[in-house]
Amino acid sequence: GAGVSQTPSNKVTEKGKYVELRCDPISGHTALYWYRQSLGQGPEFLIYFQGTGAADDSGLPNDRFFAVRPEGSVSTLKIQRTERGDSAVYLCASSPGPGGEEQFFGPGTRLTVL
Amino acid sequence: QKEVEQNSGPLSVPEGAIASLNCTYSDRGSQSFFWYRQYSGKSPELIMFIYSNGDKEDGRFTAQLNKASQYVSLLIRDSQPSDSATYLCAVTGIEKLTFGTGTRLTIIP
Repeated sequence: GAGVSQTPSNKVTEKGKYVELRCDPISGHTALYWYRQSLGQGPEFLIYFQGTGAADDSGLPNDRFFAVRPEGSVSTLKIQRTERGDSAVYLCASSPGPGGEEQFFGPGTRLTVL
Repeated sequence: QKEVEQNSGPLSVPEGAIASLNCTYSDRGSQSFFWYRQYSGKSPELIMFIYSNGDKEDGRFTAQLNKASQYVSLLIRDSQPSDSATYLCAVTGIEKLTFGTGTRLTIIP
C-alpha cells in the first residue's frame, strides 16, 4: 500500500481483556516501530523490529505487552489483561532500514480500556 | 531532565509571519533530528529532517541544528492558518525516536 496502515482504528475493551493491534508497514520497509501516545504527550517508544526479530523491546512497559512480526512485514502488538492505564493511541511506524532513517507513521489505533 | 525538551506553548503567530519552534536534547550521541507535524486527532507527519550542523531549507520550512549547543529549531516562513498544529521534535541515536512533548502552534488570520 501507499502508506502504513493500522487496524482497528478504534478499540474499546474492558479491563482484564486481551487485545491485538495490527500494523501493515510500507511495502519494502524492513524496520517497524511501535509507539504509544497519551493525550498531550509525544509518542513514546515501545518496540523496534528489524526484519522478523525484535531488535529493541526496551520500551515495553511490562510483560503484559508483546509484539510479533513473523514474516518481516505485518506486525501485531498484543496486550494481555488490559488495564485502564493502557488507554492511549498506539502508533506504528516504518522506515526503509535502520540507522536513523525517516520513520513514517500510520494513522494509529485508539485503545480505550473501560 | 527530559531527553527532548520543547516549549509546550501555545505559540500564537500572525498569518504571514515567521514561526520559530525550538527543541533541546540531552543525549550528545544523537545523530538524526526530525520535525513532525501533528494535527489534532491525526498521526505525526514528517516535515523535515536534519543530520548535520547548520541550516536545511525545504520550501517555507528551515531546520537548524547546533550539536555543540544540543539545539534544533524549525522556522516556518509566511505562516498559514493550515500550519496550525502541534510540532513534535524527535531525535535518534541509531534506531528509536525520542520525542518531545510538542509545541502547539496557532496561526492567527
